[in-house]
Amino acid sequence: SQTIHQWPATLVQPVGSPLSLECTVEGTSNPNLYWYRQAAGRGLQLLFYSVGIGQISSEVPQNLSASRPQDRQFILSSKKLLLSDSGFYLCALAGILGTEAFFGQGTRLTVV
Amino acid sequence: AQSVTQLGSHVSVSEGALVLLRCNYSSSVPPYLFWYVQYPNQGLQLLLKYTSAATLVKGINGFEAEFKKSETSFHLTKPSAHMSDAAEYFCAVSLAGNQFYFGTGTSLTVIP
Repeated sequence: SQTIHQWPATLVQPVGSPLSLECTVEGTSNPNLYWYRQAAGRGLQLLFYSVGIGQISSEVPQNLSASRPQDRQFILSSKKLLLSDSGFYLCALAGILGTEAFFGQGTRLTVV
Repeated sequence: AQSVTQLGSHVSVSEGALVLLRCNYSSSVPPYLFWYVQYPNQGLQLLLKYTSAATLVKGINGFEAEFKKSETSFHLTKPSAHMSDAAEYFCAVSLAGNQFYFGTGTSLTVIP
């Protein structure tokens, strides 16, 4: 079965510091991978999605970037965090069109 | 373009009462539709999905949803609410490329 590992579960970072959140998946190959951000009362915002190694699409312009160095690894990064980057970050995977997305347990990021 | 609208960011029902959470979509082609549930500080779990088979879809925990093309709706229902149903519920649509777009969520409170 498919599993998604996200870490860390919680993170407190000062403004201006760098960020690296890692997501790894098991039990599947060549999945679509996604990064979402969830802010209070605002639902889930799709940040990035990837259909393969090195292939990243950005949904919104922002202070964040993503990379997919391996088939089952998806990394969310920032060079300098802003207060507005605080939120709950979720990694997800999905297969072919029509299949559901599976979510990791998320990372609660607080920028102070 | 596709989008999902969830009417009512907060819904309260009494224990044992009918649960109705509303979702409308806009899509130029037949969509794939999903309902997810999220408990505090956790990822999203799939409740059910519509993938152009039966219009009435049954999911886990006694939930079901009916796809109504004429109304562009995919409302989630449960005949009798339990305390354990208190959570955040998200409707989502997926189209070509299997990009998932989520509604802003509905927080369900169950009153004992």
